[in-house]
Amino acid sequence: QSALTQPPSASGSPGQSVTISCTGTSSDVGGYDYVSWYQQHPGKAPKLMIYEVTKRPSGVPDRFSGSKSGNTASLTVSGLQPEDEADYYCNSYAGSNNLVFGGGTKLTVL
Amino acid sequence: EVQLVESGGGLVQPGGSLRLSCAASGFTFSSYDMHWVRQRTGKGLEWVSGIGTAGDTYYPGSVKGRFTISREDAKNSFYLQMNSLRAGDTAVYYCAREGGGVGSFDIWGQGTMVTVSS
Repeated sequence: QSALTQPPSASGSPGQSVTISCTGTSSDVGGYDYVSWYQQHPGKAPKLMIYEVTKRPSGVPDRFSGSKSGNTASLTVSGLQPEDEADYYCNSYAGSNNLVFGGGTKLTVL
Repeated sequence: EVQLVESGGGLVQPGGSLRLSCAASGFTFSSYDMHWVRQRTGKGLEWVSGIGTAGDTYYPGSVKGRFTISREDAKNSFYLQMNSLRAGDTAVYYCAREGGGVGSFDIWGQGTMVTVSS
């Protein structure tokens, strides 16, 4: 199972919006509404930000939103704040009890 | 407090074995599928294994046949037995709870470092 494709980096200024993509195939992202997004600060464990493409766990700011079109899922961070600077990873169910992660995107708040 | 705590990491020689443990607290452990995810230094996350509430197990091809996941609900714990370790298995290993959706990990441990080197 190949990793999902994410851009290595993304950036935006405080208050702006940024969108990170996660591209897979019809066997994973395109085939199931089971895409999740995680935020990871240096030296810390990942934190779940979005699950089932669009759902936010309790406590996650509504500045974070998810969507999907075809084989590509997206995470949008609106109203960027300095604390949003982190690595972001997507993952997807890939059928037959397999899971696959994206390579990660480093988000820089300028 | 809902928590996962890993233990058992360390230095092991190539070809050797290591057993990681993950202790859960603050939730009904037996009701959740549980997983191991690893992260090589400076690299991305990689799913390593999963175990269902009925003890059914799942692995990616990269570790199938070398790693074995198991759980002990009476002890609120699950484990990862790693055999025939290679340099490429060097990573931080996280245990995680599948909650909030299929393949979605809502609770993570702090991670335990595994180094495979001679």
